[in-house]
Amino acid sequence: QSALTQPPSASGSPGQSVTISCTGTSSDVGGYNYVSWYQQHPGKAPKLMIYEVTKRPSGVPDRFSGSKSGNTASLTVSGLQAEDEADYYCSSYAGSNNLVFGTGTKVTVL
Amino acid sequence: EVPLVESGGGLVQPGGSLRLSCAASGFTFSSYYMHWVRQVPGKGLVWVSRINSDGSSTSYADSVKGRFTISRDNAENTLYLQMNSLRAEDTALYYCAGTRGGSNLVYWGQGTLVTVSS
Repeated sequence: QSALTQPPSASGSPGQSVTISCTGTSSDVGGYNYVSWYQQHPGKAPKLMIYEVTKRPSGVPDRFSGSKSGNTASLTVSGLQAEDEADYYCSSYAGSNNLVFGTGTKVTVL
Repeated sequence: EVPLVESGGGLVQPGGSLRLSCAASGFTFSSYYMHWVRQVPGKGLVWVSRINSDGSSTSYADSVKGRFTISRDNAENTLYLQMNSLRAEDTALYYCAGTRGGSNLVYWGQGTLVTVSS
């Protein structure tokens, strides 16, 4: 149950795009299409942004998109806005009814 | 309306016990799988435990297996986490979270802080 690997930080100017990677193994990210992404602002609870690799919950802007290739999933935020500045975490089903989260990425809007 | 409200956190000595509760409202609690996730302030999210909708199936992270027990009371719309043999490394903000299935946690509480220290 090792954490999924994410870059510690990412940044972009308003209007630009930023992509965050989430690397696991064939036992989690690569083995299932159950990757989710969460946004967490300081002092707040996480919020689901993407589920099942590419799906967006109702209310999440279409600027947020997800993808996966092999053991690595990615979250892309297009048209960056100031309110997108937050911590982002990926998670994946890891078999045997277990979940695993990523190490987290702090996104800064320059 | 906040869908999930945790309670029961506090300061406990190493080796002690604590029972966390999570009260649900505004959704059909009995249809949701529920999870506990913890976060050391300033650090990342860590999955702790999961229980299915009727309470017949549970799973745990290796770090808490044998010490923590997840349970639920669907009549009372409440989720629990019994934590025994607590260690300093269990110190964290504990969130409860819910999903209709899969691994997408759509509902989250605001967390309850557990501090294990002498």
